Amino acid sequence: AQKVTQAQTEISVVEKEDVTLDCVYETRDTTYYLFWYKQPPSGELVFLIRRNSFDEQNEISGRYSWNFQKSTSSFNFTITASQVVDSAVYFCALSEKRYNTDKLIFGTGTRLQVFP
Amino acid sequence: EAGVTQSPTHLIKTRGQQATLRCSPISGHTSVYWYQQALGLGLQFLLWYDEGEERNRGNFPPRFSGRQFPNYSSELNVNALELEDSALYLCASSPGDRANSPLHFGNGTRLTVT
Repeated sequence: AQKVTQAQTEISVVEKEDVTLDCVYETRDTTYYLFWYKQPPSGELVFLIRRNSFDEQNEISGRYSWNFQKSTSSFNFTITASQVVDSAVYFCALSEKRYNTDKLIFGTGTRLQVFP
Repeated sequence: EAGVTQSPTHLIKTRGQQATLRCSPISGHTSVYWYQQALGLGLQFLLWYDEGEERNRGNFPPRFSGRQFPNYSSELNVNALELEDSALYLCASSPGDRANSPLHFGNGTRLTVT
């Protein structure tokens, strides 16, 4: 069965600290996509990154970086030099595609609080 | 470009009533997804519509239903409301290739059932 696990329910850091959000997934599909979304207090989920199962290159975008490791079924997200505006709930998600249907499976989210 | 819009922002209903939630996707997007975000339960997939047809549904009872109109907007209907239906309902849209394209979410409708 497909599943996404975000074991960290809540993380608190002080501004300028680095923080890593963990994501572990399970799937029997050979083709799949992994996503990270940010949900600020306003409620809207904001897309951050998409990674397909054939691309294990790590990616960096400004203060954000992602480490995809198929060997451990993990897709971790690191925020460098965190800022108060990074405070939000972060969701990792897995997209499965089989039998011409698909849906996005979300983890339970990690609430990040960045204090000044 | 306008994002995904949902209405109403808040909805208060009593047990047994029906609720109708609306969603307008990003222009050019043909797929609409509905998710329920209940407290402590994360995001649960409800329904997926594409080109006017229901393509997939999550593990929810039949009293959760919806439709997609020719202009690709969508309605989610919840009949015989129960207290546990209280949640944030998020609509998302995407263009044709679902697995490739990220979902774009609206701000959600917060449904409160009393």
